[in-house]
Amino acid sequence: ILNVEQSPQSLHVQEGDSTNFTCSFPSSNFYALHWYRWETAKSPEALFVMTLNGDEKKKGRISATLNTKEGYSYLYIKGSQPEDSATYLCAFPGNQFYFGTGTSLTVIP
Amino acid sequence: NAGVTQTPKFQVLKTGQSMTLQCAQDMNHEYMSWYRQDPGMGLRLIHYSVGAGITDQGEVPNGYNVSRSTTEDFPLRLLSAAPSQTSVYFCASSYRLGTEAFFGQGTRLTVV
Repeated sequence: ILNVEQSPQSLHVQEGDSTNFTCSFPSSNFYALHWYRWETAKSPEALFVMTLNGDEKKKGRISATLNTKEGYSYLYIKGSQPEDSATYLCAFPGNQFYFGTGTSLTVIP
Repeated sequence: NAGVTQTPKFQVLKTGQSMTLQCAQDMNHEYMSWYRQDPGMGLRLIHYSVGAGITDQGEVPNGYNVSRSTTEDFPLRLLSAAPSQTSVYFCASSYRLGTEAFFGQGTRLTVV
């Protein structure tokens, strides 16, 4: 079983604040790194699939970076809004998908 | 497209009963998997399949059975339900391992 770790476990920010969180994964045998957004009472939905070292992807106010050599990825949210409140999961596909336990983000209006 | 269809959405079982959670996808995805979600534990992999006729165990396979007779369907069977199997179950599929995963709506199962 591969170790995929996310930090922090939870985060509370004020509306308008920018925030970021981390996913660390094994740096050997890298294939891809996924980020998913999981709203309460819904199913996880993909945000980004990242494959290249140094890659940066952006979707609106959310962006992610990838460092495959040191085994980490950052997710950034600029100007957080209440609708950004969700759990953000990262996943590392090895011989199966390995999910981190997620970062729970609460944006306080 | 329907995507990933998972049924039922809710289920209550008595200890010792058996049941099957259904999962179907219409995207011709090779990879399908079942997870359970418990408080503070994220998604834990129960079983997965990389194609029709091929299944393998994940992190928490005990008490569960799967089969993959077609590309589209990947049912999860609870052989003899136990209260420890009370959880939310998610089915997911992807074109192949490593590509974006699509999740079903989830099944909230309570075993009493």
